[in-house]
Amino acid sequence: AQTVTQSQPEMSVQEAETVTLSCTYDTSESDYYLFWYKQPPSRQMILVIRQEAYKQQNATENRFSVNFQKAAKSFSLKISDSQLGDAAMYFCAYGQGGSEKLVFGKGTKLTVNP
Amino acid sequence: NAGVMQNPRHLVRRRGQEARLRCSPMKGHSHVYWYRQLPEEGLKFMVYLQKENIIDESGMPKERFSAEFPKEGPSILRIQQVVRGDSAAYFCASSPIHPNTEAFFGQGTRLTVV
Repeated sequence: AQTVTQSQPEMSVQEAETVTLSCTYDTSESDYYLFWYKQPPSRQMILVIRQEAYKQQNATENRFSVNFQKAAKSFSLKISDSQLGDAAMYFCAYGQGGSEKLVFGKGTKLTVNP
Repeated sequence: NAGVMQNPRHLVRRRGQEARLRCSPMKGHSHVYWYRQLPEEGLKFMVYLQKENIIDESGMPKERFSAEFPKEGPSILRIQQVVRGDSAAYFCASSPIHPNTEAFFGQGTRLTVV
């Protein structure tokens, strides 16, 4: 079974600085997708960024970018120019191609200090 | 275009009562997924439904839990004879195809069993 591991239960960053959240996963499949979701205190799950495994280019969405290392099964999220509104739980998730299930990590709580 | 709507946001039940959680997918989405989030944990897949069909219920507990997605109306997650261990946040997501494209999540229902 696929597993997703987020080894940092909590992280903190100064406003305007850059922070990287780690995620590793385990799979024997070649066709899959990886996601980062943000969960603020409102509990709403918000998709931050998505990466298709067959794409070598790392996904980028404004201040959010990923470092996808397929051989190492690593999928880290970099947040640049951190803002107070970035404070939230961040979940890494795996979705196998052709499967409907998403497998989530346990999350990383990000605090942004003013 | 309204997002995924879940109600109620909060639900309190006494042990032994029934809990009914509702999810209205986004307009045009015919795929619904239910996830459960225990405290300090990531989301865990429970069940995947299409209209009038349960496609994958491999994450559902064998007893007391059931789900439906009728032709008309919202998807319902039903928990009979609730126990304290059922206390969790229950999330619904919908997608036009499957979550590997993009799954949109509702704000969740927090169930508290007293």
